[in-house]
Amino acid sequence: EPEVTQTPSHQVTQMGQEVILRCVPISNHLYFYWYRQILGQKVEFLVSFYNNEISEKSEIFDDQFSVERPDGSNFTLKIRSTKLEDSAMYFCASRSGTDKNIQYFGAGTRLSVL
Amino acid sequence: AQKVTQAQTEISVVEKEDVTLDCVYETRDTTYYLFWYKQPPSGELVFLIRRNSFDEQNEISGRYSWNFQKSTSSFNFTITASQVVDSAVYFCALSETPYNQGGKLIFGQGTELSVKP
Repeated sequence: EPEVTQTPSHQVTQMGQEVILRCVPISNHLYFYWYRQILGQKVEFLVSFYNNEISEKSEIFDDQFSVERPDGSNFTLKIRSTKLEDSAMYFCASRSGTDKNIQYFGAGTRLSVL
Repeated sequence: AQKVTQAQTEISVVEKEDVTLDCVYETRDTTYYLFWYKQPPSGELVFLIRRNSFDEQNEISGRYSWNFQKSTSSFNFTITASQVVDSAVYFCALSETPYNQGGKLIFGQGTELSVKP
């Protein structure tokens, strides 16, 4: 069964460093998302991406964040200068556009900022 | 404003008990989708069910059933004869824009279900 793949599963970084979280969405999907979940809290929307551009972003998704789909398969989230409060689980999701708006999630990347 | 409320933070039951997880939502739109996702201890988010705002027919799938009532803006989830493997955090979610390029999910706070043997 096709699945969303995220790498790495755990990323440890120093405050102020840049990190790139990687995702390979399901191959025929057209819509891509990033969400984050601070430990013990709810899942929060960060950004949606369609047709090679951001379609919507939340207040969390400030200038420190960017997304890119550099080729036909990868979808990346970059945080330019990490802060302690960026520590969270980051989930990538994708949907086909025809499958009744069902978003399928990856296993997540746990980001720890020290 | 869009909002999803799961008032139950934690529920603990003994195996084979039935358990209902509550979800109440707020939206101004007449067209929307509701979802339940499961997050087991391993951390991934697993899709369970989707309902659109036009379909109030309730559904049973094995030990799972869902009760969607627009009149009370509720979308409750019941597990019959719970098992230890059902232990997880369950999230209810709302999407207001299913047909355009957005479609973001708005999640509730989650209900942590613990099923004890």
